[in-house]
Amino acid sequence: DSGVTQTPKHLITATGQRVTLRCSPRSGDLSVYWYQQSLDQGLQFLIHYYNGEERAKGNILERFSAQQFPDLHSELNLSSLELGDSALYFCASSAGGQNNSPLHFGNGTRLTVT
Amino acid sequence: QKEVEQDPGPLSVPEGAIVSLNCTYSNSAFQYFMWYRQYSRKGPELLMYTYSSGNKEDGRFTAQVDKSSKYISLFIRDSQPSDSATYLCAMTNAGKSTFGDGTTLTVKP
Repeated sequence: DSGVTQTPKHLITATGQRVTLRCSPRSGDLSVYWYQQSLDQGLQFLIHYYNGEERAKGNILERFSAQQFPDLHSELNLSSLELGDSALYFCASSAGGQNNSPLHFGNGTRLTVT
Repeated sequence: QKEVEQDPGPLSVPEGAIVSLNCTYSNSAFQYFMWYRQYSRKGPELLMYTYSSGNKEDGRFTAQVDKSSKYISLFIRDSQPSDSATYLCAMTNAGKSTFGDGTTLTVKP
């Protein structure tokens, strides 16, 4: 068990809808990362937060947004959903911001858009 | 060109074989190197974490880093069916991690 908790485990929704994915990092970790993993692609970095502040953005669509709250949990909001957004969404946490401590992943949220 | 290239696989070996998984990278600024194992429908699990060139051993797993050649490898000795998974290499610079696309390994009993 990595200590990173993601909810829900599965989500099925229709095109055009909006969903929120939630992540609780490991105890003591200040950094939260979001990744998308599709069948035909590897792990795609979406966004990184450190202690409540956005630190880096990757290939995140404008329809997607995230935030990290004072208690360090994070939410990823996906709106105007399209079929192509169906994927596994992983949250990972690490101890620091600029340091190179390894990421610890949750078991993901499987999103299916119909 | 991707910053991290991983041998695509898939790889199928008999139980007990030695497995070699490989990645190359182009960014010499990468400082830390990791290997993750990902079982189906699960999150990636950290296997090895190393900084310097050379070998790091942990049980049946050995991580090898050659910074001069920009090449990293993961060796699995006495492979077991439970090692069947997708293996991802990753490397970091200034807090940003870049992942390979993964190699799927099947170990047949």
